[in-house]
Amino acid sequence: AQSVTQLGSHVSVSEGALVLLRCNYSSSVPPYLFWYVQYPNQGLQLLLKYTTGATLVKGINGFEAEFKKSETSFHLTKPSAHMSDAAEYFCAVSGGWGQNFVFGPGTRLSVLP
Amino acid sequence: NAGVTQTPKFQVLKTGQSMTLQCAQDMNHNSMYWYRQDPGMGLRLIYYSASEGTTDKGEVPNGYNVSRLNKREFSLRLESAAPSQTSVYFCASMAQGTGELFFGEGSRLTVL
Repeated sequence: AQSVTQLGSHVSVSEGALVLLRCNYSSSVPPYLFWYVQYPNQGLQLLLKYTTGATLVKGINGFEAEFKKSETSFHLTKPSAHMSDAAEYFCAVSGGWGQNFVFGPGTRLSVLP
Repeated sequence: NAGVTQTPKFQVLKTGQSMTLQCAQDMNHNSMYWYRQDPGMGLRLIYYSASEGTTDKGEVPNGYNVSRLNKREFSLRLESAAPSQTSVYFCASMAQGTGELFFGEGSRLTVL
């Protein structure tokens, strides 16, 4: 079984500041890990994913995340926030293709001018 | 490309009524999923179908049934709607080899 926790339901940063959104997971099998973003009144779109290989993965819009097995974490970062990054971000875990795909509760990111 | 199409986009039901949410994808994906999204709870998996002919329960299956009609279509049925089923429902399909989920635009359901 898989589960995901996201620390902080709401994070506020100033424009140009570092963005750090936290995600911890549990999985009974080697996990596949994902970050999705949701803009208001829209569906979700993929930011980045980790399946195997390099533990630092880069995604769209300047975001990246690092898989740390020892810490069971997959935190999302961006060096410099932009106003357009304001959205809700979801971390997710899967046991593999076609398997149960579980989302965390989400973190709403606000970017202040 | 249409991607994942859900119908209807909005629906209001009375308690006890039934309805079916339809979902179709044109990307030839094997796996399809139904989620509900509620404030502060993220997306919770209702049912999924790893391939045509198979379905499995997710976190919150009670009160719902699903049908994988063919490879393209995966419907969600509420037999006797309850106010607790007021939510936004998302259908998604998974790309083989990448694990990426592609989402529909959502269906907003209100049960009075």
